[in-house]
Amino acid sequence: DTGVSQDPRHKITKRGQNVTFRCDPISEHNRLYWYRQTLGQGPEFLTYFQNEAQLEKSRLLSDRFSAERPKGSFSTLEIQRTEQGDSAMYLCASRPRGDTGELFFGEGSRLTVL
Amino acid sequence: GDSVTQMEGPVTLSEEAFLTINCTYTATGYPSLFWYVQYPGEGLQLLLKATKADDKGSNKGFEATYRKETTSFHLEKGSVQVSDSAVYFCALSDYSGAGSYQLTFGKGTKLSVIP
Repeated sequence: DTGVSQDPRHKITKRGQNVTFRCDPISEHNRLYWYRQTLGQGPEFLTYFQNEAQLEKSRLLSDRFSAERPKGSFSTLEIQRTEQGDSAMYLCASRPRGDTGELFFGEGSRLTVL
Repeated sequence: GDSVTQMEGPVTLSEEAFLTINCTYTATGYPSLFWYVQYPGEGLQLLLKATKADDKGSNKGFEATYRKETTSFHLEKGSVQVSDSAVYFCALSDYSGAGSYQLTFGKGTKLSVIP
């Protein structure tokens, strides 16, 4: 399968713990996006990478959230000191160089904070 | 900022019924428009897209026409099947000003088709 892959698919944690999600985009795609989706809502933009550079961050990305893409390939999204309001599906998507259209999404990582 | 408003669900239809899901948008630029679908337990998949006014996107019997004058991109299908049961998201892609063409999504419309 050469699609976008995310790991883990589901994470249950206690409030106050740190969690990290990983995204492996489609190999030839240099643009990578993180979105968050809560129940009954559409996906909301969190952050964007072009190669290894993080070029844009949403106001939704509080200082407890950090994302990296160290070698311009896979990306990680870390949430520190998780809160119950962080419970959501975290979606990763990628797009090829020069394309302004479709995003290719992974299946998401569902976070449940108890 | 950009926004997408789509018809609230859930929508329940009998098999072979006609489907319309309304979508309107607000954008500062000249966006591309998309319909994504999320089947139970699966990720978002592109259903169809249109990149300029009067373009019609189509796929799997679904159609939507980019109407600039009414800022709309309504999704239609003439005869739905049980397998079409899913959540449908309308979205637009517009330049964010920071080097990114972001997707902005509507809240989604859940469709259930009963035999």
